[in-house]
Amino acid sequence: DAGVTQSPTHLIKTRGQHVTLRCSPISGHKSVSWYQQVLGQGPQFIFQYYEKEERGRGNFPDRFSARQFPNYSSELNVNALLLGDSALYLCASSLNRGRVNEKLFFGSGTQLSVL
Amino acid sequence: LAKTTQPISMDSYEGQEVNITCSHNNIATNDYITWYQQFPSQGPRFIIQGYKTKVTNEVASLFIPADRKSSTLSLPRVSLSDTAVYYCLVGDFPLISSGSARQLTFGSGTQLTVLP
Repeated sequence: DAGVTQSPTHLIKTRGQHVTLRCSPISGHKSVSWYQQVLGQGPQFIFQYYEKEERGRGNFPDRFSARQFPNYSSELNVNALLLGDSALYLCASSLNRGRVNEKLFFGSGTQLSVL
Repeated sequence: LAKTTQPISMDSYEGQEVNITCSHNNIATNDYITWYQQFPSQGPRFIIQGYKTKVTNEVASLFIPADRKSSTLSLPRVSLSDTAVYYCLVGDFPLISSGSARQLTFGSGTQLTVLP
């Protein structure tokens, strides 16, 4: 089975632009989460989606939005990009069968550079 | 989620056993302890998870004392390819049906460098 796939792998944008990042979860996984990782820090939670509904949101501005499609893939959108949005954006999927000790599977991320 | 404290960095040599300790003094009754490994430009990878005592899998062991206020990740006979950042996470990962997000809170992790 393929793992979590993210596209594109790298992206360069300028301040004020908009960006869309894409994620395909592992087949059968219904939950997708997004994380932002700034260089030298651990990943920070942005969103979680399950069955196409937002189930949680981290401490990020409204410029960040996401959605999940019927096939469980997901998009992360960031508007009005700032230099501080430069980071590795990670997508993680899980089965979410309700077990409390379920593990997450991460993709390799999209490296976004804002100039 | 309980706050965790780990060493910022550790060095080891190939073939040695490496132990990384994580402190989580305010761990809650329902919290599990999970360790992830991350290589540069890649997403974190699940290593091991436990609740109490000792857990062992094909890549690591996790030791948790009775008071659960700390845990130790043990990597047997490390190789150069084990050079990575290791994250300790503590949380109860609520069921999705409760409406709560399954949010993982990562700290800054421990940079393990394995030397030849």
